[in-house]
Amino acid sequence: AQSVTQPDIHITVSEGASLELRCNYSYGATPYLFWYVQSPGQGLQLLLKYFSGDTLVQGIKGFEAEFKRSQSSFNLRKPSVHWSDAAEYFCAVASSNTGNQFYFGTGTSLTVIP
Amino acid sequence: EPEVTQTPSHQVTQMGQEVILRCVPISNHLYFYWYRQILGQKVEFLVSFYNNEISEKSEIFDDQFSVERPDGSNFTLKIRSTKLEDSAMYFCASSEEAQAKYFGPGTRLTVL
Repeated sequence: AQSVTQPDIHITVSEGASLELRCNYSYGATPYLFWYVQSPGQGLQLLLKYFSGDTLVQGIKGFEAEFKRSQSSFNLRKPSVHWSDAAEYFCAVASSNTGNQFYFGTGTSLTVIP
Repeated sequence: EPEVTQTPSHQVTQMGQEVILRCVPISNHLYFYWYRQILGQKVEFLVSFYNNEISEKSEIFDDQFSVERPDGSNFTLKIRSTKLEDSAMYFCASSEEAQAKYFGPGTRLTVL
């Protein structure tokens, strides 16, 4: 069965510091991987996605993620965090067959301190 | 940038009542979805809709749920007889292709 694990429930970083949010997935075939961000009271905004090709993908707002098949990971990174990045971040995986169902992780809440 | 919109933003209803949650997907998208997020839990898939019919649904999507695309722009989720455990944030999503989904801001449903 497909599943997504985000080991960190809550992360606090200082503004300007680098950030890495972890995501591990379980899926037999090649997965389609996504990162979404949810600000309070807002919907889920797509940050970036990986389907195939270059394993380092660039997204919006200066985020990037690297697909590592050997580690079944798709960690999200940002070199310098801004206060406006404080939000909930969700990793998701979709099957490459139908793509209808997304499996979300439980999310990582990011707090940014001045 | 085009976006998915949802109304209302918050719906309060009594247990046993029917509710209809409305969504306007992005105009050129062909795939439509409903997801829900119970407070403090994961976002869960409910149903996908393509070519005017349900293409896939989860175990959560039982007979009390239905979806409809009544016209060329709206996509609705109806819950016939709400239960307390239906209280959640309901997200509509749409996509041009099957894998890249754009989500709306959600409707918070509170069942009393």
